[in-house]
Amino acid sequence: DIQMTQSPSTLSASVGDRVTITCRASQSISNWLAWYQQKPGKPPNLLIYKSSHLESGVPSRFSGSGSGTEFTLTISSLQPNDFATYYCQHYFTYPWTFGQGTKVEIK
Amino acid sequence: DVHLVESGGGLVQPGGSLRLSCAASGFTFSNYWMSWVRQAPGKGLEWVANIKEDGDEKYYSDSVKGRFTISRDNGKNSMYLQMNSLSVEDTAVYHCARHFIAYKAREAFHSWGQGTLVTVSS
Repeated sequence: DIQMTQSPSTLSASVGDRVTITCRASQSISNWLAWYQQKPGKPPNLLIYKSSHLESGVPSRFSGSGSGTEFTLTISSLQPNDFATYYCQHYFTYPWTFGQGTKVEIK
Repeated sequence: DVHLVESGGGLVQPGGSLRLSCAASGFTFSNYWMSWVRQAPGKGLEWVANIKEDGDEKYYSDSVKGRFTISRDNGKNSMYLQMNSLSVEDTAVYHCARHFIAYKAREAFHSWGQGTLVTVSS
């Protein structure tokens, strides 16, 4: 199975900060990677697919990059609505797996 | 708008069975791969199983293979998850999710239901 490792696990930041979350795959997954945002009591919400493609309706302050084994999710200017937990997920080969999550907290 | 509603969760004893349902609306259900994804309380996300638009292909995580069966009824716009031999490790909120693009398996999860809670406990 391909392991997905996110860092950091928790991130404290302020409104307006630039935030970067890293996701590493235990083997190459090309660009078959998605990012999701999840708030408490809600299902995940798709932000980014195929590593760098922004889902329709998602603010442009979110961006994704990377290929192979190293990927990043960047929020260019953190907004109050962005405090949440973020997950990466590969869909390269079965079983599809998620990272353990990164919780973005208010500093 | 895509709408997915799960049902069938509840409290079940270890070794018991449960059948979850996912009712879909707002899109042409018979054109899309669908998945089940679960989340244990306070934990991360785990992909459980998926099924092709016509039901002819199914894939499972190792943790549920041989115990869970995914199926669908395109005439009823519904997907199901039959869960047998349940253990406490299966306790989670179970979400159904639609894949991003029609007729493609290798896709991100575009839409999610709110989920249904399955609690396995004696």
